[in-house]
Amino acid sequence: EIVLTQSPGTLSLSPGERATLSCTASLSVGSRYLAWYQQKPGQAPRLLIYRGSTRATGIPDRFSGSGSGTDYTLTISRLEPEDFAVYHCQQYSSSLPWTFGQGTRLEIK
Amino acid sequence: VKLQESGPGLVKPSETLALSCTVSGGSVSSADYYWSWIRQPPGKGLEWIGYIHASGQTHYNPSVESRITMSIDTSKNQFSLRLTSVTAADAAIYFCVRSVLEPGDRAFDYWGQGTMVTVSS
Repeated sequence: EIVLTQSPGTLSLSPGERATLSCTASLSVGSRYLAWYQQKPGQAPRLLIYRGSTRATGIPDRFSGSGSGTDYTLTISRLEPEDFAVYHCQQYSSSLPWTFGQGTRLEIK
Repeated sequence: VKLQESGPGLVKPSETLALSCTVSGGSVSSADYYWSWIRQPPGKGLEWIGYIHASGQTHYNPSVESRITMSIDTSKNQFSLRLTSVTAADAAIYFCVRSVLEPGDRAFDYWGQGTMVTVSS
């Protein structure tokens, strides 16, 4: 099983600032099969990024993903008030089971 | 595409949890998708617990493999989850989810709203 570790656990920033969230895998995630999701309280997660860096339909371009192998990053270039939420990374490689990180909480400073 | 979970919100310890997911705007018969269940204990992270394909192929997380069965009902455009011998550790919000078959695009693109399952006598 590929274990995903997200850091930091909580990130406190102000609107307009840049957010950088990390996801580290215990084994290489083949072909960059790594996704990022945003989850707001009481809601289901929403797909933001797949294939490590491809934005899902309708996702603003202030969200970007990068990385390869075991190290991946989600960057939000300029935080909007609606971006404060929990972010999850997930690997969907051929190495089952598919797994998630524990989440990073992005909170308003 | 919309997914909607249904089923009892309360299950007794040692009994069986049974949930269904009704899909609209898409077909569970399509060969292009996997249909999964994902759960999230309150205040905790997400756990993928298994998928089913229209062909009947399934794959389950080893954490629940001995207790889980997933099935598809094409006449109702639904897929279902059965989890036997539940304990307090199975209490969670259960989401039904779709992912595309194509390996690179296999992220979870459509989610149900989730249904809370409590385990208590």
